[in-house]
Amino acid sequence: SQKIEQNSEALNIQEGKTATLTCNYTNYSPAYLQWYRQDPGRGPVFLLLIRENEKEKRKERLKVTFDTTLKQSLFHITASQPADSATYLCALAGGNNDMRFGAGTRLTVKP
Amino acid sequence: DSGVTQTPKHLITATGQRVTLRCSPRSGDLSVYWYQQSLDQGLQFLIQYYNGEERAKGNILERFSAQQFPDLHSELNLSSLELGDSALYFCASTRTPDFGKNIQYFGAGTRLSVL
Repeated sequence: SQKIEQNSEALNIQEGKTATLTCNYTNYSPAYLQWYRQDPGRGPVFLLLIRENEKEKRKERLKVTFDTTLKQSLFHITASQPADSATYLCALAGGNNDMRFGAGTRLTVKP
Repeated sequence: DSGVTQTPKHLITATGQRVTLRCSPRSGDLSVYWYQQSLDQGLQFLIQYYNGEERAKGNILERFSAQQFPDLHSELNLSSLELGDSALYFCASTRTPDFGKNIQYFGAGTRLSVL
């Protein structure tokens, strides 16, 4: 069955370091992969979208990679700040005409 | 502010009851998506409407139904409620119906508590 796994439930890092979040998937061939940020009690907010034929996308301090051979996406936040503390969700969309979300990784950036 | 409005913010009801959740998409968006988020299941896609027609179905129970009206607002109806239906319900909207290539704009959600 199709599965999406995000590396860990929680990730704690020190301010200024780079946070790296992982999204692995199995039995799926997504055409698009998206990353969202979700704060407690609020709806997800879109961050980045990457297509299956793209290797890397950047936006300010954010970078996402997409490796369809490894079936993995990495999401990096450089020079992390306490305000980056949130849950980050990866979402895959493909030919199944739906969008599947990972369970999320809760990132805490300590000052 | 995403521009997607969901009402009510909170809903407390009893098992066996029926509730209706409402969603107004962003101005100009024709497609509406409903998701359920519970602690143990993550964000689960339920159903999508595009310009009034059902477009895609996910893990939606038979006790749940939805519709999209001519003014493009959507309602999600949950009936014969069970304790396990307690969750956050989100609505999202996009301009076109294509999954993945569109940014989904999410509302703030409706928190449903079934007692």
